[in-house]
Amino acid sequence: SQQGEEDPQALSIQEGENATMNCSYKTSINNLQWYRQNSGRGLVHLILIRSNEREKHSGRLRVTLDTSKKSSSLLITASRAADTASYFCAGFEGYSGGGADGLTFGKGTHLIIQP
Amino acid sequence: GAGVSQSPRYKVAKRGQDVALRCDPISGHVSLFWYQQALGQGPEFLTYFQNEAQLDKSGLPSDRFFAERPEGSVSTLKIQRTQQEDSAVYLCASSARGGGIYEQYFGPGTRLTVT
Repeated sequence: SQQGEEDPQALSIQEGENATMNCSYKTSINNLQWYRQNSGRGLVHLILIRSNEREKHSGRLRVTLDTSKKSSSLLITASRAADTASYFCAGFEGYSGGGADGLTFGKGTHLIIQP
Repeated sequence: GAGVSQSPRYKVAKRGQDVALRCDPISGHVSLFWYQQALGQGPEFLTYFQNEAQLDKSGLPSDRFFAERPEGSVSTLKIQRTQQEDSAVYLCASSARGGGIYEQYFGPGTRLTVT
């Protein structure tokens, strides 16, 4: 079963604009990760935020986590054509939640950057 | 260094045939995961190995699915008597340390089509 629900399902913006994607999840998590998938490079890890963190930055990426609302957001600043891909949030329930030992992915947001 | 590799990249099987999908994780990675990704969906967890031990197989959809990692490195996912609903991309991922707490490195996947 899918853990996360990304919102929106699809997003199209102009190059240079910022892109924001949201993720809501159902159960308690140990950490939440964001991945990018495109046909060229497959599924690639972007950033991991632990349940006791509220915000994390990596280059042009900014991730927030609100465990009380069971939600996370991914912001990509100054978007580029190469950012065109599907973006997935993935929760690890693991030890605290008693869930599976693998990640539970959402359905993804398909992001298109228009040149 | 080399990433996670999977073979074959594409497999067409007739309904009822058995298939074997191979995963070569990053050398030295303790954890190995298998996921199934249907078209337009996020990956779904199948099973997890820590070294040669299969610690979680809660995601395997039926007893037709079997995975092994006998020497703690290469893994094989076997599907017996394939059905059309088995058509999907099968992704393998490895992680340097135990469990889903850490980032996972994904292979390119094997696209299985059952006719």
